[in-house]
Amino acid sequence: EPEVTQTPSHQVTQMGQEVILRCVPISNHLYFYWYRQILGQKVEFLVSFYNNEISEKSEIFDDQFSVERPDGSNFTLKIRSTKLEDSAMYFCASSESLPGANYGYTFGSGTRLTVV
Amino acid sequence: QKEVEQNSGPLSVPEGAIASLNCTYSDRGSQSFFWYRQYSGKSPELIMFIYSNGDKEDGRFTAQLNKASQYVSLLIRDSQPSDSATYLCASAAGYSTLTFGKGTMLLVSP
Repeated sequence: EPEVTQTPSHQVTQMGQEVILRCVPISNHLYFYWYRQILGQKVEFLVSFYNNEISEKSEIFDDQFSVERPDGSNFTLKIRSTKLEDSAMYFCASSESLPGANYGYTFGSGTRLTVV
Repeated sequence: QKEVEQNSGPLSVPEGAIASLNCTYSDRGSQSFFWYRQYSGKSPELIMFIYSNGDKEDGRFTAQLNKASQYVSLLIRDSQPSDSATYLCASAAGYSTLTFGKGTMLLVSP
């Protein structure tokens, strides 16, 4: 069964450092997403990406965050200057179409980011 | 503000019983609803979705939607210990992204 692949599975970084989280979405999917889940909290939307541009972003996705699809397969999330409160599990997801069209996401296994 | 509310639980049921998980949503524009299962430390897995009022069955799972009451539920028949997980309800309106609830923890005891 096709999978969304995320690397690394765990990243520890010092406050103020830049981190890049990587994702390989399912090959025939067109919509890509980043969500995060702080321990014990709900899964929160960060950003969606379609046709090589951001289609929607949340209030969480401020100037410290950026996304990129540098080639035909990878989808990355960059946090420029990490803060303690950025510590969370970050999930990449992809879908064939939009949820409003009754397509659910396939989530990757996540990257646990710990900022110290 | 789009909100999806779930009782955090835990909901405890014995093996073989029916587990009933509930969810309410605030955005009347929501059209599609999704149930995900999340094991501790793992990513959400899609169980099923529903967009029409009424029931939708898939194996041991039945999703129920009542748009007038803004209420979604998931029934799990013949619950197994392996069903013990957190169940996330999510909604989508039009062409927007998914909004998740905090989830309900289900514990199925042998």
